[in-house]
Amino acid sequence: EPEVTQTPSHQVTQMGQEVILRCVPISNHLYFYWYRQILGQKVEFLVSFYNNEISEKSEIFDDQFSVERPDGSNFTLKIRSTKLEDSAMYFCASSEVVETQYFGPGTRLLVL
Amino acid sequence: AQSVTQPDIHITVSEGASLELRCNYSYGATPYLFWYVQSPGQGLQLLLKYFSGDTLVQGIKGFEAEFKRSQSSFNLRKPSVHWSDAAEYFCAVGAKEYGNKLVFGAGTILRVKS
Repeated sequence: EPEVTQTPSHQVTQMGQEVILRCVPISNHLYFYWYRQILGQKVEFLVSFYNNEISEKSEIFDDQFSVERPDGSNFTLKIRSTKLEDSAMYFCASSEVVETQYFGPGTRLLVL
Repeated sequence: AQSVTQPDIHITVSEGASLELRCNYSYGATPYLFWYVQSPGQGLQLLLKYFSGDTLVQGIKGFEAEFKRSQSSFNLRKPSVHWSDAAEYFCAVGAKEYGNKLVFGAGTILRVKS
């Protein structure tokens, strides 16, 4: 069964550094998403992406964040200058149609 | 504002016992509803979904859920729990009127005792 994959599984970085989280969505899917889950808190929507542009973003998704689909398979989330509060599990998801999103295993980001 | 409430943070059931996890939502539009499960160190696996039609939906691993519009609820059930069902369960809600984003509940941690 096709799956969403994410790399790396864990990332430790220093505050102020840039990080890029990578995702490979399911191949025939057209809609892509990033969510995050701070430890002990709810899963929160960050951004959705369709047809090579952001279709919706939350208030969390400020200028420090960007997304890109650099080729036909990868979907990336970049955090330009990480803060301590960016420490979280980041989930990528994809969907063939709008309604049903399939999630990857997540990247656990720790900012020191 | 859209919100999803899972009133039980932890639930413990005995193996073989029945299970019901509660989910209530507040949405200004006709929702579509999901249950996801997260095992330790794993991602979010889709258990089942409801868009329209029959309000009782079947999912994987023997789970089912019933949509009750009058109660704004979408409770997850399983008649006989297995030790491997121990995990965290998330209810999530979306609606076309609110774009593609899913709003998640806080999750319910299920512990299964033998």
